Amino acid sequence: DAGITQSPRYKITETGRQVTLMCHQTWSHSYMFWYRQDLGHGLRLIYYSAAADITDKGEVPDGYVVSRSKTENFPLTLESATRSQTSVYFCASSEPFRDTTYEQYFGPGTRLTVT
Amino acid sequence: EDQVTQSPEALRLQEGESSSLNCSYTVSGLRGLFWYRQDPGKGPEFLFTLYSAGEEKEKERLKATLTKKESFLHITAPKPEDSATYLCAVQARTNAGKSTFGDGTTLTVKP
Repeated sequence: DAGITQSPRYKITETGRQVTLMCHQTWSHSYMFWYRQDLGHGLRLIYYSAAADITDKGEVPDGYVVSRSKTENFPLTLESATRSQTSVYFCASSEPFRDTTYEQYFGPGTRLTVT
Repeated sequence: EDQVTQSPEALRLQEGESSSLNCSYTVSGLRGLFWYRQDPGKGPEFLFTLYSAGEEKEKERLKATLTKKESFLHITAPKPEDSATYLCAVQARTNAGKSTFGDGTTLTVKP
């Protein structure tokens, strides 16, 4: 499928378990992002990546780990899930164009519940 | 620190009743301001990019405008299918690739 996909779409896990959320894009965009969206809040950036093997922290990185060995994949791992990490997670990608602004293209989201 | 504040949080309109959504921002050197639409249970969808004060962009019943401190999303004669959450985001020249998002305005258009 063309575009940006996320898996799983829904996940229920227990406190303390490790969880990995997957993100795959077919456009070969250089930038990829992970956000969380909680009720009543906008999107908060967790981590982002400017290229393969280059990642950086966003606004709320604690408790999360990312890697990017291939341009098209950007998995997000919760090393030891906590109830406060219950949220909807969105992956996004973008591509610079002539050093101008970069709009982002979002995946469908993963709804994660930590019990 | 870049900041984006959207108002109102929620807006209910009758079909055909025009209105505007506001996005106030502070950013150290604006590279661009974005508007996105988000339907329930889906990811945000890109609508517009505005680069400099005075610029306007239109798409169907939506028109986005930009000043040095805020942006407006004007909705003319809205229809029920325009119901969604509208997100505003800014990107600073110093934050290549990263955007700061507002909390959004949830628009409901009643038939």
